[in-house]
Amino acid sequence: NAGVTQTPKFQVLKTGQSMTLQCAQDMNHEYMSWYRQDPGMGLRLIHYSVGAGITDQGEVPNGYNVSRSTTEDFPLRLLSAAPSQTSVYFCASSYSEENSPLHFGNGTRLTVT
Amino acid sequence: GQQVMQIPQYQHVQEGEDFTTYCNSSTTLSNIQWYKQRPGGHPVFLIQLVKSGEVKKQKRLTFQFGEAKKNSSLHITATQTTDVGTYFCAGPGDDKIIFGKGTRLHILP
Repeated sequence: NAGVTQTPKFQVLKTGQSMTLQCAQDMNHEYMSWYRQDPGMGLRLIHYSVGAGITDQGEVPNGYNVSRSTTEDFPLRLLSAAPSQTSVYFCASSYSEENSPLHFGNGTRLTVT
Repeated sequence: GQQVMQIPQYQHVQEGEDFTTYCNSSTTLSNIQWYKQRPGGHPVFLIQLVKSGEVKKQKRLTFQFGEAKKNSSLHITATQTTDVGTYFCAGPGDDKIIFGKGTRLHILP
């Protein structure tokens, strides 16, 4: 049972480049979400999904796109990377958004130069 | 929108001292969750509180949910070096889960 798998673990991008952070879970969780973590800012919600085909914006969605074509996968796309997007990104999933604990992936450390 | 506030942001304690972090929500919560993140790691679920006034214990950790279901606290008795990390509270609202900014605990030997 792999849980929540995030790839890559580390990534360096140049300003303007695009990339996709992958997230997959094998627990049949309906709720999936992306957070970014910056020093002193805690965990800020980027986008979330309550089920396949449904996505919505969180607190800091600008510059990011998501899709949820299957229950298992929830990729996060950076359209045109900026230095302000340098951060640690966590994907998390749970059975529901209401009363189930979140399971986190190991994170992706992204640096944009 | 919903806000979850946590204090203090940082706490340094001598090993063996107690530690408390407080969480306040701008709205009434159906439940509150607590997570721990070790340095360099990812957040790991600790516990969920659901009932008004609920108190739960996990060894040296005591979790409380306020009567109005808008605040919560985590108290660690006699801290150990293994308690080092950042403790987050999180609450559900509007189909999403919002985290506080966390309290980073440093243990001085």
